[in-house]
Amino acid sequence: GAGVSQSPSNKVTEKGKDVELRCDPISGHTALYWYRQSLGQGLEFLIYFQGNSAPDKSGLPSDRFSAERTGGSVSTLTIQRTQQEDSAVYLCASSLRTGGSNEQYFGPGTRLTVT
Amino acid sequence: GENVEQHPSTLSVQEGDSAVIKCTYSDSASNYFPWYKQELGKRPQLIIDIRSNVGEKKDQRIAVTLNKTAKHFSLHITETQPEDSAVYFCAPATPNDYKLSFGAGTTVTVRA
Repeated sequence: GAGVSQSPSNKVTEKGKDVELRCDPISGHTALYWYRQSLGQGLEFLIYFQGNSAPDKSGLPSDRFSAERTGGSVSTLTIQRTQQEDSAVYLCASSLRTGGSNEQYFGPGTRLTVT
Repeated sequence: GENVEQHPSTLSVQEGDSAVIKCTYSDSASNYFPWYKQELGKRPQLIIDIRSNVGEKKDQRIAVTLNKTAKHFSLHITETQPEDSAVYFCAPATPNDYKLSFGAGTTVTVRA
């Protein structure tokens, strides 16, 4: 079946502009996660969804970052007034159920470059 | 939250040799121990995992061993091949964790 998909695959934006990153999880997966991976670095947790609710937003780097999920499916990560330090690969993952002991399936990521 | 450390951060091995990566964690309640592999420019993928009621698990050339007393687990790759070159992440979790806490990653390079 189809895996996790993300769009766009690449996004170049000017500093100060807003961007929206989209994630389509595997059908039927209730949990959805957003991570950020800077060049050569590990995975930084941003936010997760159980259904449409986001119980923990503490990983979001600043109030310029927000995310939503609708219909228990598609999720959008929005970055307002982008800064150069926001440049990174943004990875989305989904799992059948919430919980660290459930395998997470990752999307291909969106490479964001802020100029 | 869980403190996770991986060692070494980089590892270069000759093709055919073995590679071992160690992951140390802090939460004694951790009961799930996965390893993810991320090839250059690709997404992370689960390659092997182990649960706390098992001490070792093998899948062809890869294996994971767990030492719960010392709070570490290791990834073993035998007969390394060029396609094993990648970044490997550990991500131990407790029953109450809703997310994975990834280690910083180990870059493995297999020399032909």
